[in-house]
Amino acid sequence: EIVLTQSPATLSLSPGERATLSCRVSQGVSSYLAWYQQKPGQAPRLLIYDASNRATGIPARFSGSGSGTDFTLIISSLEPEDFAIYYCQQRSNWPLTFGGGTKVEIK
Amino acid sequence: EVQLVESGGGLVQPGGSLRLSCAASGFTFSSHWMHWVRQAPGKGLVWVSRISDDGSSTSYADSVKGRFTISRDNADNILYLQINSLRAEDTAVYYCARGIVTARGSVDHWGQGTLVTVSS
Repeated sequence: EIVLTQSPATLSLSPGERATLSCRVSQGVSSYLAWYQQKPGQAPRLLIYDASNRATGIPARFSGSGSGTDFTLIISSLEPEDFAIYYCQQRSNWPLTFGGGTKVEIK
Repeated sequence: EVQLVESGGGLVQPGGSLRLSCAASGFTFSSHWMHWVRQAPGKGLVWVSRISDDGSSTSYADSVKGRFTISRDNADNILYLQINSLRAEDTAVYYCARGIVTARGSVDHWGQGTLVTVSS
């Protein structure tokens, strides 16, 4: 099973600041990595798929990069609605696996 | 508008069974792989199972293999998850999710979830 390790576990930032989230994968997954956002009491929402493709309706302040084993999600300027938990997920191998999440909280 | 509406969750005793349903609308259901993903209270996301667009192929997480069965009815646009031999560790919100046609292992729409609680 492929293991995804997200860091940091918690990121404390202010609105307007840049957020950089990391996802490291235990074995290469090419570009087959997605990022999801989840707010309390809500279902997750797809942000990025295949490492760098923004999903429909996702603002341009969200960007993804990376391949192989190291991936990054950047939120260029945090909006109040961006404070949430972010998960990465690989689709290279079965079973599909998710990272443990990074919580982006208001500083 | 894509809609996925789960139902069938509830309180069940250890060893019991439930059948979860997910009613899909707003898209061509038979063109998409579908997935079940669960989330234990206060924990992260865990993929459970997937089924191909025509229902001919399925996969399961090791933790549920042999106990859970995924299926679909493309005529009525419904996804199912039969869950048997329930354990306390199966307590979670169960989400159905739509696979992306060009990236099937990623999901682009999620239902609101249905809570399964396993307790005596």
